[in-house]
Amino acid sequence: SQTIHQWPATLVQPVGSPLSLECTVEGTSNPNLYWYRQAAGRGLQLLFYSVGIGQISSEVPQNLSASRPQDRQFILSSKKLLLSDSGFYLCAWEQGQGINQPQHFGDGTRLSIL
Amino acid sequence: DQQVKQNSPSLSVQEGRISILNCDYTNSMFDYFLWYKKYPAEGPTFLISISSIKDKNEDGRFTVFLNKSAKHLSLHIVPSQPGDSAVYFCAARDGSGNTGKLIFGQGTTLQVKP
Repeated sequence: SQTIHQWPATLVQPVGSPLSLECTVEGTSNPNLYWYRQAAGRGLQLLFYSVGIGQISSEVPQNLSASRPQDRQFILSSKKLLLSDSGFYLCAWEQGQGINQPQHFGDGTRLSIL
Repeated sequence: DQQVKQNSPSLSVQEGRISILNCDYTNSMFDYFLWYKKYPAEGPTFLISISSIKDKNEDGRFTVFLNKSAKHLSLHIVPSQPGDSAVYFCAARDGSGNTGKLIFGQGTTLQVKP
């Protein structure tokens, strides 16, 4: 069966520090991968998605970037964190090439910027 | 402009009764709709979905109804159980693209009282 792992579960970082959140998927190949952010009391906002290695699409202009160095690895990064980057970050995968397949989420990373 | 809206931030229901969660959308290109359930500090869990070619899909205690003319979908939970207490997100997919990008509503917090 397929599983998705995100780490760390929680992170407290000072303003201006770098960020690296990692997500890996097991049990499938060539998945579509997604990074979302959930701000307090709000829905999930799509940040980045990837349909293959090295292929990244950005949904909103922001202080973050994403990379996909391997088929089942998706990384969310920042060179300098802002206070507004605080939130709950979620990685998700879905079966690539599939029609009407749900996305499956990791357990998320709670990021607090001080 | 929010394309997927959940106008009720919260809902309280007695155990054993029906819970009805509502969702409205504006984009007529949406062709696949999903409901997710989320507990605090966890990622959303996929519950049930429906394709735009159907108007109803049932899975155990969960039924999703789609009214395309009204651009409205709803999730019925019968009977409701205390373990159903969580935040519920509806999501929709734009069928005109080649990825599974989902647009999420803001979420409805369901409380099922024993």
